[in-house]
Amino acid sequence: QVQLVESGGGVVQPGRSLRLSCAASGFTFSSYGMHWVRQAPGKGLEWVAVIWYDGSNKFYADSVKGRFTISRDNSKNTLYLQMNSLRAEDTAVYYCARGDSDRLDAFDIWGQGTMVTVSS
Amino acid sequence: DIQMTQSPSSLSASVGDRVTITCRASQSISSYLNWYQQKPGKAPKLLIYAASSLQSGVPSRFSGSGSGTDFTLTISSLQPEDFATYYCQQSYSALTWTFGQGTKVEIK
Repeated sequence: QVQLVESGGGVVQPGRSLRLSCAASGFTFSSYGMHWVRQAPGKGLEWVAVIWYDGSNKFYADSVKGRFTISRDNSKNTLYLQMNSLRAEDTAVYYCARGDSDRLDAFDIWGQGTMVTVSS
Repeated sequence: DIQMTQSPSSLSASVGDRVTITCRASQSISSYLNWYQQKPGKAPKLLIYAASSLQSGVPSRFSGSGSGTDFTLTISSLQPEDFATYYCQQSYSALTWTFGQGTKVEIK
């Protein structure tokens, strides 16, 4: 079935790095733009980054620009989020989501999320 | 950046009630407005896309309306499984996607 599965979360010290992965299955991964969305504990949803279906364009929220890098490997059906210079305010559940251009870029498929805790 | 404002932030309702949640954009977003439902500990789920189109598998008691800057999500007859937090989201800007702050629907 259509599925996204995140991995790579954990506890990391401020200033350190972490890389998240999102494995896609059940659909043609290379045909879709992909997003990362995060949710701090007890807070709302915050869009983080997007990458075009072919990796040609990437855009970021101001809160992570210059620190986070989104990438994808279409041969492995996998999306990545490289997070550098992590801060306490980056603590959140991170979700990957599929953007569907047929639905005016709504996020129609979501992963289960992976928790990132930034703490000393 | 386009800002999205939902109201109310929370509401209490009973099973069978008609519930309406509003979402306002800081500038016109045409019909590029989506609604999501999120239950505790779970990923969000797409309910409505393009302001009024029902996502496949979503019950017909959910409906969306509006265009430009003002949008509404309506649950015609609230069911026990509908108690959750609802988020609107604009997808008009191809560079950033913005969510509203959420509306928590609680049992009265």
